[in-house]
Amino acid sequence: DIVMTQTPLFLSVTPGQPASISCKSSQTLLWSNGKTYFYWYVQKAGQSPQLLIQEVSKRVSGVPDRFSGSGSGTDFSLKISRVEAEDVGVYYCMQSVHLPDTFGQGTKLEIK
Amino acid sequence: DVQLLESGGGLVPPGGSLRLSCAVSGFSFDTYNFNWVRQTPGKGLEWIAFIGRDKDTVYYTDSVRGRFTISRDNSKNSLYLDMNSLRVEDTAIYYCVRVTSGYDYWGQGAAVVVSS
Repeated sequence: DIVMTQTPLFLSVTPGQPASISCKSSQTLLWSNGKTYFYWYVQKAGQSPQLLIQEVSKRVSGVPDRFSGSGSGTDFSLKISRVEAEDVGVYYCMQSVHLPDTFGQGTKLEIK
Repeated sequence: DVQLLESGGGLVPPGGSLRLSCAVSGFSFDTYNFNWVRQTPGKGLEWIAFIGRDKDTVYYTDSVRGRFTISRDNSKNSLYLDMNSLRVEDTAIYYCVRVTSGYDYWGQGAAVVVSS
């Protein structure tokens, strides 16, 4: 199984400051069709996870542009340019290039 | 509005069985693939089963293969997970999830507790 390793596991950020989460996969997530099957989700308190970023860098409709995803191969990151109070939650990375689809451990974002 | 609504969770003893259902509305059910995903405090988010639009394409994670069965009824816009020989470690919140590029819609989750 592909192992997804997130760092850090906990982030405490002052509103208006940037935040960054790293996710490394144990194998390349680049498929032979040229697509990279890597995603970011956020789970807010009491809610189900929701999709934020598709295929490394494509923001889902309605996701603010302060969120950006980047990376390739095995190294990926999620950046929030200016954290807001509503960004509190647990962020997960996920790969779906090889079954079983696997998730990172989650990074808890808190506001200072 | 897109909605996925799980039902059927509950408390079951080890070795018991349970059927989860997921009622879907707001889009053309038969044109999408679906997963079941579970979440526990210890193991986090775990994909457990996939079913394709054609109903015949199914995949399972190793820990549930042979015990769980994913199915769908396109005439009822519903997804199912039949769980047999339940173990304590199957205790989790179970989500039905629509699959596109990523998992774009999730249900609210159904709690399954396996305990004597």
